[in-house]
This record gives sequence, structure tokens and C-alpha cells, in this order.
Amino acid sequence: DARVTQTPRHKVTEMGQEVTMRCQPILGHNTVFWYRQTMMQGLELLAYFRNRAPLDDSGMPKDRFSAEMPDATLATLKIQPSEPRDSAVYFCASGLRPPGDTQYFGPGTRLTVL
Amino acid sequence: GQNIDQPTEMTATEGAIVQINCTYQTSGFNGLFWYQQHAGEAPTFLSYNVLDGLEEKGRFSSFLSRSKGYSYLLLKELQMKDSASYLCAVNGDYKLSFGAGTTVTVRA
Repeated sequence: DARVTQTPRHKVTEMGQEVTMRCQPILGHNTVFWYRQTMMQGLELLAYFRNRAPLDDSGMPKDRFSAEMPDATLATLKIQPSEPRDSAVYFCASGLRPPGDTQYFGPGTRLTVL
Repeated sequence: GQNIDQPTEMTATEGAIVQINCTYQTSGFNGLFWYQQHAGEAPTFLSYNVLDGLEEKGRFSSFLSRSKGYSYLLLKELQMKDSASYLCAVNGDYKLSFGAGTTVTVRA
């Protein structure tokens, strides 16, 4: 049963601390997406990769957020320094295109910045 | 840019049918998705339309009209477990833009 995995599932930290979230996409998938979900903004795309290359990170605050794919089995999203407004659920999703663009979501990391 | 509209909430009775509409204006179009999201969980894929018409999958069907920028998700024979948020998402330029979601509450 292939699934996207994310760690940690929950993270509570203090303002100013560095936060790193990790994602393992489904084996064989060549696109990886990072989303942020809040009650106010809904699901927002932060960044996406195809074949490990970053294609779009226009949704990401550049001064504090960074996303990388060091290899095909690991994607990371880092926030440094974290702020209370970063509190949200961060989802990773992976997909395979072509043929289709269906994205399969991981369980999410619930981040709380105090 | 992308503009995707769907109703905020809908309520229906167990066993009934509910239709969730979605209208969109996007700069590109490579398909429309519907996702289901239960509270506290990740979105899960329900359906995908890229051509006009109706796609049926068991109790769920999705319709697309590209010329009208319109889609709907039809949920038949509603069950309590169908209470969730339903997200319309448009694939424009190979990245998804999501609507705010429609929260469906199924009453006994």
C-alpha cells in the first residue's frame, strides 16, 4: 500500500526556532508538492518539484522558507526563523506525470509556533 | 491567476443526493479534480475530469463543462461517513489551485 509519509506529524516550537519537515513521496512518483492549509487561507501551494528540480516556489515566503529534494525519496521544507503566523498544517503530495496529475497527499505536519 | 468558487456549506439527509457546484476562471486548464477531506485528515482523491461530460464512480459522479468554467460533484445515497469537506481543484500549468472547500454535513 504505497503512501506518502511525512515527519513529524506534530511540531510545537517557539518563535525564532528552525523547523524542518520531511516527506517521503510514493516510490516512482516524479512530482512533489508542498502545501500549507489554514482555516483562513485554505490550501495554498508553496512549492513543487519535478524530477527533483524545483519548478515553482512562488507561493513560499523566500526570506524564511526553503524547500529541497536531496534525493528522489526525500523532500524537505525548512522554516528559519519560524513565526506564529506559520502555524498551519503542512501537506506534502506526490504524483506522476504523465499520464495524469493526480496528487496523493501525506498525512500532514501540524505546526504550532508559540 | 486562478479564481475558484464553491459554496461554503451544504446539509443533506442520509440517503439523499447532494450536488456541489464549482466555477472557475483560470489562466490555463489541464483538468479539474475533486478531493474529499475529513476533519483532521489529508485530502484524498475522488475524481478527475479533463474532457466535458460526466464521470461516474460508484456513488460519486463529477461533471465538467470547460466552455462554462463549471463543474459539479454529485454524491448519491448519502451516508454519514460522507460528512467532510469537498475541495474543487483546477490544474492550471500543472499545479493545482484549490477552492476553499464545501463542508457537507449529513444528518440522520
